[in-house]
Amino acid sequence: NAGVTQTPKFQVLKTGQSMTLQCAQDMNHEYMSWYRQDPGMGLRLIHYSVGAGITDQGEVPNGYNVSRSTTEDFPLRLLSAAPSQTSVYFCASSTRQGAYEQYFGPGTRLTVT
Amino acid sequence: AQKITQTQPGMFVQEKEAVTLDCTYDTSDPSYGLFWYKQPSSGEMIFLIYQGSYDQQNATEGRYSLNFQKARKSANLVISASQLGDSAMYFCAMRSLGGGADGLTFGKGTHLIIQP
Repeated sequence: NAGVTQTPKFQVLKTGQSMTLQCAQDMNHEYMSWYRQDPGMGLRLIHYSVGAGITDQGEVPNGYNVSRSTTEDFPLRLLSAAPSQTSVYFCASSTRQGAYEQYFGPGTRLTVT
Repeated sequence: AQKITQTQPGMFVQEKEAVTLDCTYDTSDPSYGLFWYKQPSSGEMIFLIYQGSYDQQNATEGRYSLNFQKARKSANLVISASQLGDSAMYFCAMRSLGGGADGLTFGKGTHLIIQP
């Protein structure tokens, strides 16, 4: 199993540009989520999904869109990037039973200039 | 709303000593899980240990143990016999198990440095 994969690893955008951060998992997990990590902070939840076709907002959803058309994929879209979205983005997945341990991807470092 | 507080921004510890990283939490959920993650300088998030709110015994995983005191709402991580490779950021996190499936709430982390 590859686990949770994220692409790209690094990205530089100009203010106002759009892009999609990709996330995929091969563990057949129902639950997937996106977090951002800013310097000196823990991770904060952006959006999450409890299954294909179902998404919901987390703590910091503004400026981001998500969709979940398959169990495996959960892309995060920035429609009009802003410098405040400069951060490291982590995707995670988990089952919805037991310990609910979340498996994290390696992260995407995004810089918006 | 859930909240995690880690009061130690940084710690220096001598190699082979035991380390306790503090974590207190606040939640109104009756059923929840508590987690510790390690983030080395390479940036990945590594799951260390989990404690459920109804678990009777403290969780242990190798050199890691979780000192869970429910009445005090604390979930401290204890690392026995610290090693140089333990130097990293450590995050305490919690999640409701009540079916809300609203993800993990993280503390701000503790930067642990193990000195030879």
